[in-house]
Amino acid sequence: QSVLTQPPSASGTPGQRVTISCSGSSPNIGSHNVCWYQHLPGASPKLLLYRNDQRPSGVPDRFSGSKSGTSASLAISGLRSEDEADYYCAAWDDSLSGRLFGGGTKLTVL
Amino acid sequence: EVQLVESGGGLVKPGGSLRLSCAASGFTFSTYIFNWVRQAPGKGLEWVSSIGTLIRNTYYAHSVKGRFIISRDNAKNSLYLQMNSLIAEDTAIYYCARQDEEGFDIWGPGTMVSVSS
Repeated sequence: QSVLTQPPSASGTPGQRVTISCSGSSPNIGSHNVCWYQHLPGASPKLLLYRNDQRPSGVPDRFSGSKSGTSASLAISGLRSEDEADYYCAAWDDSLSGRLFGGGTKLTVL
Repeated sequence: EVQLVESGGGLVKPGGSLRLSCAASGFTFSTYIFNWVRQAPGKGLEWVSSIGTLIRNTYYAHSVKGRFIISRDNAKNSLYLQMNSLIAEDTAIYYCARQDEEGFDIWGPGTMVSVSS
């Protein structure tokens, strides 16, 4: 059971906007920045966002992030079939002295 | 090309040991923090361990603390994970990942570890 809580699934149709939430607590999201990762089947995870809302080079601006208090969210606009993947939030946790991943959200593009 | 490549995975009996390696190339290895992350079959990502640029700065998930040891050899551009007292729950794909600006920006393809009698 992850300390960072994500919905297990999300879905949308092509072109739609989808958001995925990540709920934490004071020692993790409340005190540290959040990263988001995309994990396609059979591939290695890919960094989508760091420092809550910063995109590495090469990540389309369709992906955006935000953080407020002890929660964060990932938004994907202009949904495409290739966005179908598992998405994970992550943050450092002071009480565990370790990094946490959320349980992951499986995004289905209908 | 910037890349990480893991090796050393395999099938091991419960209670056994395994040493994973991660070879880095295409960047200055010594200036980065590195992590091991695993994914058990049908499960999500789980952070395992990290090591700072100063080798004494190591961190472990509670699930592996006391059994796994992370290390690095900057002269060989390599990261290691010594896994002892392995249990079935350690069965997973193990990824090494470079850390930059707080995010894990480069990942290897992973190496499979199976713990079974």
